[in-house]
Amino acid sequence: DAGVTQSPTHLIKTRGQHVTLRCSPISGHKSVSWYQQVLGQGPQFIFQYYEKEERGRGNFPDRFSARQFPNYSSELNVNALLLGDSALYLCASSFRLRPITDTQYFGPGTRLTVL
Amino acid sequence: QKEVEQDPGPLSVPEGAIVSLNCTYSNSAFQYFMWYRQYSRKGPELLMYTYSSGNKEDGRFTAQVDKSSKYISLFIRDSQPSDSATYLCAIGKRQGGKLIFGQGTELSVKP
Repeated sequence: DAGVTQSPTHLIKTRGQHVTLRCSPISGHKSVSWYQQVLGQGPQFIFQYYEKEERGRGNFPDRFSARQFPNYSSELNVNALLLGDSALYLCASSFRLRPITDTQYFGPGTRLTVL
Repeated sequence: QKEVEQDPGPLSVPEGAIVSLNCTYSNSAFQYFMWYRQYSRKGPELLMYTYSSGNKEDGRFTAQVDKSSKYISLFIRDSQPSDSATYLCAIGKRQGGKLIFGQGTELSVKP
């Protein structure tokens, strides 16, 4: 079975530009979460979506936005890129949001470099 | 104070050693505890999860949770070079919801 897939794998942008990252969850999973992982740190929660609705938002500025589509895939958008946005962006999917059963499985990530 | 603290390492051990990885958390509202393994430039891979105090074993890996002291551990027996990776503890208030990660401990197992 295919796991979580993310595209693109790598991306280089300059300050002030906009970027869109894409994620396809595991087949049958309805929830997608986004995390930012700066080098040497653990992942930090950005957003969670379930059934196309935002269910959680981390402490990130409004430059960060996301959405989930009817097929449960998701996009993360970042506007007005800053150097500090350089990181590995991880997408995780889970079946639902129910206790115990719904472990999150991560994709390989998109590595974003802002110059 | 961070919600979860993890010894950053790096940790270097000889092959066959027992490895102990540890995290502490600050809020007793956290109910779910997970360990992820992350190889260089890859996404985190779930190793184990638990939601109760005590030990949970899976092959060479044992996850231990002590809710009274807010302490979680991962033990790796008979460590192998293929275990060389960064290990991340993660906590959550409900499964499927937001996860809060530790900084990660970089482990190197030398042949």
